[in-house]
Amino acid sequence: QQQVKQSPQSLIVQKGGISIINCAYENTAFDYFPWYQQFPGKGPALLIAIRPDVSEKKEGRFTISFNKSAKQFSLHIMDSQPGDSATYFCAASKRGTASKLTFGTGTRLQVTL
Amino acid sequence: KAGVTQTPRYLIKTRGQQVTLSCSPISGHRSVSWYQQTPGQGLQFLFEYFSETQRNKGNFPGRFSGRQFSNSRSEMNVSTLELGDSALYLCASSPEGAGGYGYTFGSGTRLTVV
Repeated sequence: QQQVKQSPQSLIVQKGGISIINCAYENTAFDYFPWYQQFPGKGPALLIAIRPDVSEKKEGRFTISFNKSAKQFSLHIMDSQPGDSATYFCAASKRGTASKLTFGTGTRLQVTL
Repeated sequence: KAGVTQTPRYLIKTRGQQVTLSCSPISGHRSVSWYQQTPGQGLQFLFEYFSETQRNKGNFPGRFSGRQFSNSRSEMNVSTLELGDSALYLCASSPEGAGGYGYTFGSGTRLTVV
């Protein structure tokens, strides 16, 4: 019940388009859902995160949509730019001490000109 | 504000050897977690240390161990290296570590076992 499933594995979007990455989780105890962005040679960097008491969170061009009943959440990147080309990971955890992040398998995004 | 520093950045070791990786967290952060990243398995949790105590452990064999010092710096050790241990090892620090909230990752140590 610790799995987080992420899709698609890879995504090609034109500049200015919308990139959408989806994740589904099984463990209903999860209550923290971050998205990380990773560039080659770097560690993952926190992009945006949401807790299940809200259905949507927006920060600039990045939006998380959260569907608690379906146990799904997604990342939308509006007006995608070539600089957004990176690997994106969703993750989930449950609040409290001695917990950890369970990551999705990652989505490699390429934004073309 | 300095980020999370991992040393060395790259390492090549031979099967059967052991290796020690180091992580210096952000100043004031007391929790340090370690993750293994591979193309096949993705990001997998190794263990978390808080105030010098291992607070959580992932599903890795006993060859993987770690420790944390009083200044919050952490080391992980892998003994009797296997080819499958080749991976990017990432360290993340956070103020309290609870629930993975507030993680900041380092750039990792790329370990190659030959």
